[in-house]
Amino acid sequence: DSGVTQTPKHLITATGQRVTLRCSPRSGDLSVYWYQQSLDQGLQFLIQYYNGEERAKGNILERFSAQQFPDLHSELNLSSLELGDSALYFCASSVRLQGNEQFFGPGTRLTVL
Amino acid sequence: GEDVEQSLFLSVREGDSSVINCTYTDSSSTYLYWYKQEPGAGLQLLTYIFSNMDMKQDQRLTVLLNKKDKHLSLRIADTQTGDSAIYFCAESSGDSSYKLIFGSGTRLLVRP
Repeated sequence: DSGVTQTPKHLITATGQRVTLRCSPRSGDLSVYWYQQSLDQGLQFLIQYYNGEERAKGNILERFSAQQFPDLHSELNLSSLELGDSALYFCASSVRLQGNEQFFGPGTRLTVL
Repeated sequence: GEDVEQSLFLSVREGDSSVINCTYTDSSSTYLYWYKQEPGAGLQLLTYIFSNMDMKQDQRLTVLLNKKDKHLSLRIADTQTGDSAIYFCAESSGDSSYKLIFGSGTRLLVRP
């Protein structure tokens, strides 16, 4: 158990819908990273937050957004969902801004029908 | 650009050593990592090596880094059936985020 929690574990929804994925980092970790794992793209970095502020962006679609709250939990919002958004979404946390040790949560499996 | 490559599959007999290889392109990476993913599970950080080191040993795991060739390997001694999983090599980006750039993963199958 890495200490990072993600909810829900599974999510099934329809195209065009909007969902919110939640991540709670390890106690004391200020940095949260979101990654997407899909069959065709592999594991890709989406976005990073540190102590409530966005710090880095990767291959994140405009339909996706995220935030980190004062209690340091983070949410990833996915809207206007398409079939191709079906994937495993992981969050990872680290103590520092430059997270040399990133600990991953169990992931949320999103299925868009 | 940033790219990490791994072979897709490795099969070994229980008790043998496994060696999983990886090449990367970003010479400014500060850290290089090995993660393990079991079916239906998240990514478990196995070990990582700082870019100015050549080798790191942690119990049954040995990481070798050849900076000149940008080659990283993970050796698992006395491989067990519980080691069957997908192993991902990753490099930290050279920018300030330290985001991870992953390879496509090597599926390790340990035969009894």
